[in-house]
Amino acid sequence: QVQLQQSGPGLVRPSQTLSLTCAISGDSVSSNSAAWNWVRQSPSRGLEWLGRTYYRSKWYNDYAVSVKSRIIINPDTSKNQFSLQLNSVTPEDTAVYYCARRLSTARAYYAMDVWGQGTTVTVSS
Amino acid sequence: DIVMTQSPDSLAVSLGERATIDCKSSQSVLYTSNNKTYLAWFQQKSGQPPRLLVYWASTRESGVPDRFSGSGSGTDFTLTISSLQAEDVAVYYCQQYYSIPYTFGQGTKLEIK
Repeated sequence: QVQLQQSGPGLVRPSQTLSLTCAISGDSVSSNSAAWNWVRQSPSRGLEWLGRTYYRSKWYNDYAVSVKSRIIINPDTSKNQFSLQLNSVTPEDTAVYYCARRLSTARAYYAMDVWGQGTTVTVSS
Repeated sequence: DIVMTQSPDSLAVSLGERATIDCKSSQSVLYTSNNKTYLAWFQQKSGQPPRLLVYWASTRESGVPDRFSGSGSGTDFTLTISSLQAEDVAVYYCQQYYSIPYTFGQGTKLEIK
């Protein structure tokens, strides 16, 4: 059974960096059939996909335009986890952050089927 | 970006009755090369992450009760709960994963009448 366990601080000061980690059990961050995503949820923006990392003979990343200048998603193969780094945060980045897996095969993409428990992050001084 | 629009925003249905939620995408989410429709439905209960119910518009995820069904094609989709149970109270979201950025509907809050 695949599980994703999130960790990271719940309070970040404005202009600082938000850092979260998603530890994977039951699958591999280097899997050739998975993509590892970050999604956030807030009352004002709803559910918002932020970006993903995945391995297909080499590492790829894709990011939402809304955060592209501030976001880094990194895999950590030694710990079988991936991380989210969001720089220069403002109160608008206050949200519940989720990590999620999306599988694919050569023939088709599947939906995000496994989610982390969520981390409530507040940006405030 | 593909815009996902759900209706209604909220819905109250009696126990045992049918609940229907609609979702419309601003462009087709049908991948013609494999004839797969990249539309999913999620259920989210208070304090929990979204739970995948349906993918490819109509394929039920493993473990999801068969009272949940998805239908539709192209740009118009429906999630139906055939006989509402108390544990179905939640917010329901549709999502397209045809192209990035993946986008979600605004959610439909389902309550018991």
